Amino acid sequence: AQSVTQPDIHITVSEGASLELRCNYSYGATPYLFWYVQSPGQGLQLLLKYFSGDTLVQGIKGFEAEFKRSQSSFNLRKPSVHWSDAAEYFCAVGFFNTNAGKSTFGDGTTLTVKP
Amino acid sequence: NAGVTQTPKFQVLKTGQSMTLQCAQDMNHNSMYWYRQDPGMGLRLIYYSASEGTTDKGEVPNGYNVSRLNKREFSLRLESAAPSQTSVYFCASSEGHRLPHSGRGAGEQFFGPGTRLTVL
Repeated sequence: AQSVTQPDIHITVSEGASLELRCNYSYGATPYLFWYVQSPGQGLQLLLKYFSGDTLVQGIKGFEAEFKRSQSSFNLRKPSVHWSDAAEYFCAVGFFNTNAGKSTFGDGTTLTVKP
Repeated sequence: NAGVTQTPKFQVLKTGQSMTLQCAQDMNHNSMYWYRQDPGMGLRLIYYSASEGTTDKGEVPNGYNVSRLNKREFSLRLESAAPSQTSVYFCASSEGHRLPHSGRGAGEQFFGPGTRLTVL
């Protein structure tokens, strides 16, 4: 069965500092990978996704993520964090070739931004 | 274009009461999902529907039933609410990622704003 691990439950960074959120997955085939963001009281919104091709993918709000097959990782990065980036971030891995389009989500990482 | 809508936004029930959470999407997506979100446990899939007329159990289906009324609507019913069902419930929809030769893989999911349910 596929699984997703986000090792960091909570991360605090200062505004303007760089950010890296970790995500590791377990899946028996080429994965589809996603990062979502959830602001307080809101639903989840897609930041970026990887299906194939270039292993460095760009997303919205200045985020990027790099797929490393050898490490089974898909870490999210941002060079300079803004106070509005404070939110919960979820990594997800999707099934290949399924009409249901299901994904498995990690437990999330809460990001706090210090002024 | 409203995306995914859910009603109600908040609900308080007493143990043993029943209720139905409504979800609708206007993106013509085939797949729809119901999740629950509890602190420290991420999103757990309750039920999903790959297409109109089909539903399947997810990770935590016990105590719930679903109906895919048509392509737009996917409802979640609690027949006899229990305190363990206190949670935030999210509905989502997806079209999937078209594969080169046939079929679809997992695609981006679009989420509703959630229903915060408390069972006393």
